[in-house]
Amino acid sequence: NAGVTQTPKFRILKIGQSMTLQCTQDMNHNYMYWYRQDPGMGLKLIYYSVGAGITDKGEVPNGYNVSRSTTEDFPLRLELAAPSQTSVYFCASSLQNIRDTEAFFGQGTRLTVV
Amino acid sequence: QKEVEQNSGPLSVPEGAIASLNCTYSDRGSQSFFWYRQYSGKSPELIMFIYSNGDKEDGRFTAQLNKASQYVSLLIRDSQPSDSATYLCARGSSGSARQLTFGSGTQLTVLP
Repeated sequence: NAGVTQTPKFRILKIGQSMTLQCTQDMNHNYMYWYRQDPGMGLKLIYYSVGAGITDKGEVPNGYNVSRSTTEDFPLRLELAAPSQTSVYFCASSLQNIRDTEAFFGQGTRLTVV
Repeated sequence: QKEVEQNSGPLSVPEGAIASLNCTYSDRGSQSFFWYRQYSGKSPELIMFIYSNGDKEDGRFTAQLNKASQYVSLLIRDSQPSDSATYLCARGSSGSARQLTFGSGTQLTVLP
């Protein structure tokens, strides 16, 4: 029962470096999402996908990119990391649109940019 | 005005008491509302969702929705120390956006 798996769990980046946060799900969900959560705050949507080959921006997409080549995988790319991107990142998936059904979250990636 | 507003707490209740968590929202077109629980350092997990005005009960949890007042709440009866967590209220967007907007969460501590 893997569900949604994220890697890595922790990462420290230097300003200007790039990295990819990996997310994979084994529930055959069409909908996948990337959220960030800053301390004491709720989740903010970065990007989402309604199926392979289809992605769209969320509330806070600047500084990030995504791709969805398969149903299972939805990687998030950070280019030119900035301290403002220090956050906890959650990947999620749902069978239907997240506003209509339960979303399943990965365990999160705690990213620090120094 | 925040789209989804919650009292940040922290809220403390004694074991066995009723914990009441409140949430207001600004988009009158919202149709769906969710309560997610998040333990410290963990990912959110769904507790309940509600679409219709009134109460919805699931075990010790009751969600209440009042669309006229743009208010949704979560009651936890017979609170247990294991209920200590942050509770995130979220509303489904209206129209074509098809997203969830989360509040900042209410931290609940149940004291043994």
